[in-house]
Amino acid sequence: DGGITQSPKYLFRKEGQNVTLSCEQNLNHDAMYWYRQDPGQGLRLIYYSQIVNDFQKGDIAEGYSVSREKKESFPLTVTSAQKNPTAFYLCASSIPQTGRHTEAFFGQGTRLTVV
Amino acid sequence: GNSVTQMEGPVTLSEEAFLTINCTYTATGYPSLFWYVQYPGEGLQLLLKATKADDKGSNKGFEATYRKETTSFHLEKGSVQVSDSAVYFCALRDLYTDKLIFGTGTRLQVFP
Repeated sequence: DGGITQSPKYLFRKEGQNVTLSCEQNLNHDAMYWYRQDPGQGLRLIYYSQIVNDFQKGDIAEGYSVSREKKESFPLTVTSAQKNPTAFYLCASSIPQTGRHTEAFFGQGTRLTVV
Repeated sequence: GNSVTQMEGPVTLSEEAFLTINCTYTATGYPSLFWYVQYPGEGLQLLLKATKADDKGSNKGFEATYRKETTSFHLEKGSVQVSDSAVYFCALRDLYTDKLIFGTGTRLQVFP
């Protein structure tokens, strides 16, 4: 089945450690996104990529890094520079906007807890 | 810049009540508009969408109409069920940057 897979579902890390969240899609989508969700808040865009080997900062990129070496994969690294990394992270993908096909598809999310 | 504003929750309703969740947007041009739903501990699922003015998106009894004159995309359902309890997000897709921009979400609680 086609879809987006985020792993792991739950992740625990010690403060000061870098951690990488995985996002893989087999939908053949060009665009991929990373969002952060905090309790009671909406989704805030961290990074997005419209094509392989290219990505742009979103609204809250500080303390995060990404790579887009393959179309299927868009891993997110939460670095030790991120002051408040505990959150729910969501990955999404979509095709470029063509006619009526504009929606994004989401993974199930990774809940990161830093202790 | 582009933005989405939706009503704060929680919205608390009895089963079979009428639902409206307001959403307005600020954007250049006419972006695509979406409603997504999130159940506890899960990712977001597309509920419905509209890609141009006056389009009506509908799914599972939910409806929303793209109103360019009021820059709104309000979500409605005639008769809610307990199973509709979730968080609902209004969103737009920027025509020029491809960014997806979300509102803060509205929690709906439906009681029997």
